[in-house]
Amino acid sequence: GAVVSQHPSRVICKSGTSVKIECRSLDFQATTMFWYRQFPKKSLMLMATSNEGSKATYEQGVEKDKFLINHASLTLSTLTVTSAHPEDSSFYICSARDNSARGPQHFGDGTRLSIL
Amino acid sequence: DAKTTQPTSMDCAEGRAANLPCNHSTISGNEYVYWYRQIHSQGPQYIIHGLKNNETNEMASLIITEDRKSSTLILPHATLRDTAVYYCIVDSGYSTLTFGKGTMLLVSP
Repeated sequence: GAVVSQHPSRVICKSGTSVKIECRSLDFQATTMFWYRQFPKKSLMLMATSNEGSKATYEQGVEKDKFLINHASLTLSTLTVTSAHPEDSSFYICSARDNSARGPQHFGDGTRLSIL
Repeated sequence: DAKTTQPTSMDCAEGRAANLPCNHSTISGNEYVYWYRQIHSQGPQYIIHGLKNNETNEMASLIITEDRKSSTLILPHATLRDTAVYYCIVDSGYSTLTFGKGTMLLVSP
């Protein structure tokens, strides 16, 4: 079945550093990928829609200069959390939908980000 | 806001069928009903989806009422590994997903 790979699975770093998270669709092409954020015991909240070859679309309240998204190919989108602070600590999840089929989104396993 | 309503939590005995309901009374004609689940500290996993006919795959069955205003996900023989939060989402297949709070299913021995 369709697989989305997300890397790294866990990151612990100091306040002020930038962290890059990669999301790859392994066996299908995805013009559009999605980035979510999830706080403990809460549901997933969409942060942004990543569009191949063009600018990402951010949800209201999400700082585009804080969360940089790049979608340079049909199989890779990256999310960079710039100058991370403890309040950015969260579970970040990506998903992708197969271009060729009107079907479900497929999700990565998530990245647990902890900022000290 | 999510366009579906689900119970907050449900319990099921191991080996029994788990029937998870979902109300989606404002569903549009071109929207599908999707079910995902999220096991603790993992990304959501796709389970099944349907438009108006009942669907079955290796994981579950989906029963959609004739008026399409509600549906039921059936796990025929629940195991401990089925303990998860189950999300019912309506989606046209072209738009973003909106996750509600889902149903926390606890399968007990």
